[in-house]
Amino acid sequence: DTGVSQDPRHKITKRGQNVTFRCDPISEHNRLYWYRQTLGQGPEFLTYFQNEAQLEKSRLLSDRFSAERPKGSFSTLEIQRTEQGDSAMYLCASSLDPQGFNEQYFGPGTRLTVT
Amino acid sequence: SQKIEQNSEALNIQEGKTATLTCNYTNYSPAYLQWYRQDPGRGPVFLLLIRENEKEKRKERLKVTFDTTLKQSLFHITASQPADSATYLCARMNYGGSQGNLIFGKGTKLSVKP
Repeated sequence: DTGVSQDPRHKITKRGQNVTFRCDPISEHNRLYWYRQTLGQGPEFLTYFQNEAQLEKSRLLSDRFSAERPKGSFSTLEIQRTEQGDSAMYLCASSLDPQGFNEQYFGPGTRLTVT
Repeated sequence: SQKIEQNSEALNIQEGKTATLTCNYTNYSPAYLQWYRQDPGRGPVFLLLIRENEKEKRKERLKVTFDTTLKQSLFHITASQPADSATYLCARMNYGGSQGNLIFGKGTKLSVKP
């Protein structure tokens, strides 16, 4: 499968715990995006990388959230001290165009449930 | 602020009919609009991109239009089938921040009845 993959697909955690998600983009894509989606809403932008550089973070991304993309390949998104409001689907997408004008390819998402 | 509005949360149609979904945007015209399909529990799948200078674009049974006067895009599925049932998302590029960062509407859930 040469598409975008995400791991794990589902994560249940207790409030206050830390969680980490992984995204493997399409190999030749240099742009990688993280979005969050709650029920009945469209995806909301969190952050994006151009190769290994994190170029923008949304105001939705509190200081409990951190993302990395070492070596410009896979990316991780960590949430520290999880809260119930963090429960959502976390989507990763990648894109080939360095100018960001082309379509984005999404992974299957990681469904996070904070109890 | 830049917004994308998909006014219909749900659309129910009969198999074989044409489904028409509406997407409205605010403020200045985006360089392009994109349409995605999303099935329950899955990530969005890209369908079509239409640029500001294109009036219409087609792909198989899909057609999308871009009207900069009305600030609106229409997405049509002709000869609809039950397999077309899904949520359809409209998205625009965000000018305020990074290029390529998409702003999505809430989506329209299409149900095609046999």
